[in-house]
Amino acid sequence: DIQMTQSPSSLSASVGDRVTITCRASQGISNYLAWFQQKPGKAPKSLIYAASSLQSGVPSKFSGSGSGTDFTLTISSLQPEDFATYYCQQYNSYPLTFGQGTKLEIK
Amino acid sequence: EVQLVESGGGLVQPGGSLRLSCAASGFTFSDHYMDWVRQAPGKGLEWVGRTRNKANSYTTEYAASVKGRFTISRDDSKNSLYLQMNSLKTEDTAVYYCARVKRGRFDYWGQGTLVTVSS
Repeated sequence: DIQMTQSPSSLSASVGDRVTITCRASQGISNYLAWFQQKPGKAPKSLIYAASSLQSGVPSKFSGSGSGTDFTLTISSLQPEDFATYYCQQYNSYPLTFGQGTKLEIK
Repeated sequence: EVQLVESGGGLVQPGGSLRLSCAASGFTFSDHYMDWVRQAPGKGLEWVGRTRNKANSYTTEYAASVKGRFTISRDDSKNSLYLQMNSLKTEDTAVYYCARVKRGRFDYWGQGTLVTVSS
């Protein structure tokens, strides 16, 4: 199975900040990497697919990059509604696997 | 508008069975692969399994943790996805989400249904 490791596990930031979350795969996954946002008590929301493509309707403040084993999610100009937990997920091979999540909190 | 609505969750004893449903609307259900993903209380996301579409013979894939106990099926005439869960264990307690698959990745998720396995 491909292990997905996110860092950091938690992150404190202020409104207006720019933050970056990293996701590392235990083996190469090309660009078959997605990012999701989840707020407490809600379903995950798709943000990015194919490592850097923005899901329809997602603001351009979210951006992704990477290929192979190392990926990043960057969120610019943080707003209160961006404070949530973020997950990466590989869909290169079965079983599909998620990172453990990064909880983004307000400083 | 794409909508996925899960139902069928509840309290069940260890060793028991439960069937979850996911009603889809707003898109051509029969064209898409569909998945189940779960989330134990306070934990991260765990992929459960997938059903492919008719063009791919409705074949399925499962996580090792549920293989042999859970069965994913679909009824394209009813735009519905199902998850039959047998031999349930306490560690199967989770919110279960259905998700639409587009070119391999999840693009839409349902709101989830809670399954609690407890005596």
